[in-house]
Amino acid sequence: QQQVKQSPQSLIVQKGGISIINCAYENTAFDYFPWYQQFPGKGPALLIAIRPDVSEKKEGRFTISFNKSAKQFSLHIMDSQPGDSATYFCAAPTPGNTPLVFGKGTRLSVIA
Amino acid sequence: KAGVTQTPRYLIKTRGQQVTLSCSPISGHRSVSWYQQTPGQGLQFLFEYFSETQRNKGNFPGRFSGRQFSNSRSEMNVSTLELGDSALYLCASSSGLAAETQYFGPGTRLLVL
Repeated sequence: QQQVKQSPQSLIVQKGGISIINCAYENTAFDYFPWYQQFPGKGPALLIAIRPDVSEKKEGRFTISFNKSAKQFSLHIMDSQPGDSATYFCAAPTPGNTPLVFGKGTRLSVIA
Repeated sequence: KAGVTQTPRYLIKTRGQQVTLSCSPISGHRSVSWYQQTPGQGLQFLFEYFSETQRNKGNFPGRFSGRQFSNSRSEMNVSTLELGDSALYLCASSSGLAAETQYFGPGTRLLVL
C-alpha cells in the first residue's frame, strides 16, 4: 500500500518561531503533494500544494520544500501564530487515481 | 459557491444498528470520496463515486457501502455497527479526475455505544 510517513506527531512552537513538519513517501509516481490544515470540529482544508517539478513553493508564511531524490517534502510555517494551532496532514494522490493517501498528522501548538 | 455539506453532523447509535450519512458536494462537482478519521488510524479512504459509479474502494469490510445519485449527492451506509466504527466520517468532492481539487465537508461524528 502506498504510504506517506509524517513527523513529528506533535509540535510546540513559540509565537514567531518556525514550524517544520516533514513527510516521506515511497511511490515515485506520486505527482502532487498537498498539505491540509484541520481545526477541531472542521474538515481538512487545502493549505498549499506542490508538484515534483519544482523544489519549493511559497504562499505567504507557508512554504513547501520538496526533495525528489530523498522522496521527502516538508511544510515550513514562518512567524508561527497561535491561530496556526491545528493539525496538519501531508498527502499524495494514488497515481492515476483519485484517493488521497494521508500522513498520520501533526498537531501543532503555537504558544505565546 | 456553497461548500461541501454533510448531514447529520452528529450521531449516536448502538452496536448492531445501521446508519446512513449524507453528503452534498460543491455544485458542479461529480466526484465524491468518503474518508474515515480516527485518532489511531488517521484519515483512511473508504470509497469514491464518480457519475453514480463506484470508482475506487478502500480496505473496509462490506458493512460499509455507499451510493451516488444523479445530482452527485452521495450517501454512505454502515450496517451492523461496531464500537470501532466510532469516528469522524468525512466527505470530499472534486471537480473532475484530479485528486488535488478535493474539498472536504465538516464531517459527521458517529459515536457507537
